[in-house]
Amino acid sequence: DTGVSQDPRHKITKRGQNVTFRCDPISEHNRLYWYRQTLGQGPEFLTYFQNEAQLEKSRLLSDRFSAERPKGSFSTLEIQRTEQGDSAMYLCASSRDGSKMFFGSGTQLSVL
Amino acid sequence: DQQVKQNSPSLSVQEGRISILNCDYTNSMFDYFLWYKKYPAEGPTFLISISSIKDKNEDGRFTVFLNKSAKHLSLHIVPSQPGDSAVYFCGLNFGNEKLTFGTGTRLTIIP
Repeated sequence: DTGVSQDPRHKITKRGQNVTFRCDPISEHNRLYWYRQTLGQGPEFLTYFQNEAQLEKSRLLSDRFSAERPKGSFSTLEIQRTEQGDSAMYLCASSRDGSKMFFGSGTQLSVL
Repeated sequence: DQQVKQNSPSLSVQEGRISILNCDYTNSMFDYFLWYKKYPAEGPTFLISISSIKDKNEDGRFTVFLNKSAKHLSLHIVPSQPGDSAVYFCGLNFGNEKLTFGTGTRLTIIP
């Protein structure tokens, strides 16, 4: 399968714990995006990379959030000191040129 | 300030009839428009797109219409099938940067 892969699919954690998600994009895509989706809302932009450079971060991305794409291939999104409001589906997408994006299946985070 | 709006949270359509989903936007700088379909617990799947230089794009049962003067985008599905039941999001792009999504419309096809 050559689509966007995300791991894990589900994560349950206690408030205050740190969590890390991984995204493997489509191999020839140099752009990688992170979005967050809550119930009844559309996906909300968090950040994106072109190769290993992080080009934009949303104001939704507080200091507790950090994303990396060290070698321009896979990416990780870490949330420190999780809060109940962080509960959401975290979506990763990749794109060849920034026009059409292809999404992974997402990581559903539940903070108890 | 919400730049992209899908004013109908839900829509029910009889199988075989036409489904019309709508999307309105405020920023005239958007230049590429996409529709995505989403099933529960899965990521959005790309359906069809249109650039700002066109007013219509067709792909099988799916047609997207763009009215730039009205800042309005619509997706027509005809004939509608039970497998079309899903949540549909419009996504708008400016300068090939990132997509800004609407809140989605849940489409239910009634057999």
